Formats: sequence, C-alpha cells, structure tokens
Amino acid sequence: GEDVEQSLFLSVREGDSSVINCTYTDSSSTYLYWYKQEPGAGLQLLTYIFSNMDMKQDQRLTVLLNKKDKHLSLRIADTQTGDSAIYFCAEWLYGNNRLAFGKGNQVVVIP
Amino acid sequence: DTEVTQTPKHLVMGMTNKKSLKCEQHMGHRAMYWYKQKAKKPPELMFVYSYEKLSINESVPSRFSPECPNSSLLNLHLHALQPEDSALYLCASSLPTDNTEAFFGQGTRLTVV
Repeated sequence: GEDVEQSLFLSVREGDSSVINCTYTDSSSTYLYWYKQEPGAGLQLLTYIFSNMDMKQDQRLTVLLNKKDKHLSLRIADTQTGDSAIYFCAEWLYGNNRLAFGKGNQVVVIP
Repeated sequence: DTEVTQTPKHLVMGMTNKKSLKCEQHMGHRAMYWYKQKAKKPPELMFVYSYEKLSINESVPSRFSPECPNSSLLNLHLHALQPEDSALYLCASSLPTDNTEAFFGQGTRLTVV
C-alpha cells in the first residue's frame, strides 16, 4: 500500500529536542527518507535509512526505524529556529519507481 | 554537484497563455520527475521520465505536456491552465533504479489568473 501516515503539528522551544513520527505500510521498502521543506522552498533531503538498520545518526539528526511496526521517527537535537519547516517522511515504492510521501509534520520552533 | 535547478522561480499566467517550466540537473541521473504541490500538502507525482522516455503519467490533464529533450533537461509545457492548477511545481531527479535518493529543485511557484 501507499499509505504513509504522519502527525501534523509540533511546537518546540529552541534548544529542546523534537521528535517527528511516521508510519508506512509497504514492507518491501528498503530506503526511507526524511525531507525538510522551508516556507516557499523545495524539498531538501535531510537523511535516509536503509531498512536493515535500526538507527542512523547524522549530527543533530537521529533516525529510528522499527521495521516490525513500520514506524519511522526523526529526532532533532538542540532544535534551532532554522529547523522551523515542514518535514515529510517518504518511502521508495519498490517496483513503482516513485516516492510515497507522508502528509507532513509542521515544526515551529519558539525562540 | 547535487543540484536540481528550476526556472522560473515564480510564474503568473493567464488561462489562455502558453508557458514552459524548465528543470536541469548535471548529476548524471537518468530518472526525472514532475510533482505538483499544494500549500502544506505532500507533493503529488505527475510524470516520470526514465532514460528520456516517459514511463509514468499519473492521469495528468493534457493541458500539462512534459518533455525530456536530453538526459539533463526536463520541461513542462503549460497551456490553457485553470486557476486550480496554481501550485508549486517541483522537479526531481534520481538514478533510474529502485531505492535511491531523489533530489528536488526549489520549485516554480505558478499562479494562474
């Protein structure tokens, strides 16, 4: 299936950690992605994780993958005002040559 | 160079106009995509080109006409659009294999009046 579910809105204070969650349904997906979209801009690939990994850390970003529950999360440590954006998780649909996106999660960082 | 360049950044066109959106990448990617995105919604796939051939058309109205003149360029020709076609149009590219990174351009903000 192509359902990628995300919660919609998160408000976080500058310096705190923020966690965004996503669930997906296509168990054959081997790449899962997080994209960031700032207002008026395109999508920026933040990070991705292979399905044979449980965790990937990239500077302030930590991606956790629970393949059994098809659950993906993105933790942003020491959240900055520049992290205010909409974050989309996405999975590559095997055999369909396309990305399926979640609904997106808007993160607002309060100074 | 991981850049996908789209021009123009903004476009306002009337319903009787003909215009084109352009997309360029020099990463050697042989798959290129057009997406349409409404405000605060996820991108919706429109077209996929693989090795310069159209491989996916997501039942897009014929007033949108894609073209891939070579492996680095992707165009989207627009004609007789409707106000509801106003959106951010995003181009992306990737290697033409499953499970790969897709890089997006900054988009063209289209307003149809």
